[in-house]
Amino acid sequence: DAGITQSPRHKVTETGTPVTLRCHQTENHRYMYWYRQDPGHGLRLIHYSYGVKDTDKGEVSDGYSVSRSKTEDFLLTLESATSSQTSVYFCAISESGGRGLYEQYFGPGTRLTVT
Amino acid sequence: EDQVTQSPEALRLQEGESSSLNCSYTVSGLRGLFWYRQDPGKGPEFLFTLYSAGEEKEKERLKATLTKKESFLHITAPKPEDSATYLCAVQAVYSGYALNFGKGTSLLVTP
Repeated sequence: DAGITQSPRHKVTETGTPVTLRCHQTENHRYMYWYRQDPGHGLRLIHYSYGVKDTDKGEVSDGYSVSRSKTEDFLLTLESATSSQTSVYFCAISESGGRGLYEQYFGPGTRLTVT
Repeated sequence: EDQVTQSPEALRLQEGESSSLNCSYTVSGLRGLFWYRQDPGKGPEFLFTLYSAGEEKEKERLKATLTKKESFLHITAPKPEDSATYLCAVQAVYSGYALNFGKGTSLLVTP
């Protein structure tokens, strides 16, 4: 158990509304990530963080923003939700596995439906 | 551009019937290759990290190998509880530790 929780686990929202997903870790890891998983696309990186207030964009960052004001929390915000953002969202944390590698451990996911 | 291709997309095996899953990759500077298992409705579960060509890792009925172009996940005498989607991901030296995932292989093992 990597000590990662995500909230909410399920959410249904309407197009145009803002939505915030929360990832919380208890392991004090430096690196945190947000991915989305869609049929036919696999897991794709949205944003990641390499420290408090240090974030960067991933492959599919348009329409998303993130914030990290504490080591243990990484928030993903959909500024104005669209139907194309219906997906399962996973948070991940990483720690060094040696040789400069950072193995990632995933949370349980949030299923978001935008109607 | 980095690419990770997994094959087959789906595989059905009888219990005890050994087989292999393939992960082909193209990356400019491989830092590492990762295998994950994902059960329905759950997050990916870390299995192995492979660092360099020729390396092998084992865990119970699973064995992962790595060459300069591909990785194999060998499943020996599988059991129904091995049914899951197996994901491969690569990490490039320039990626800031981000992972580039393949689309996965869905494995079903029948009794």
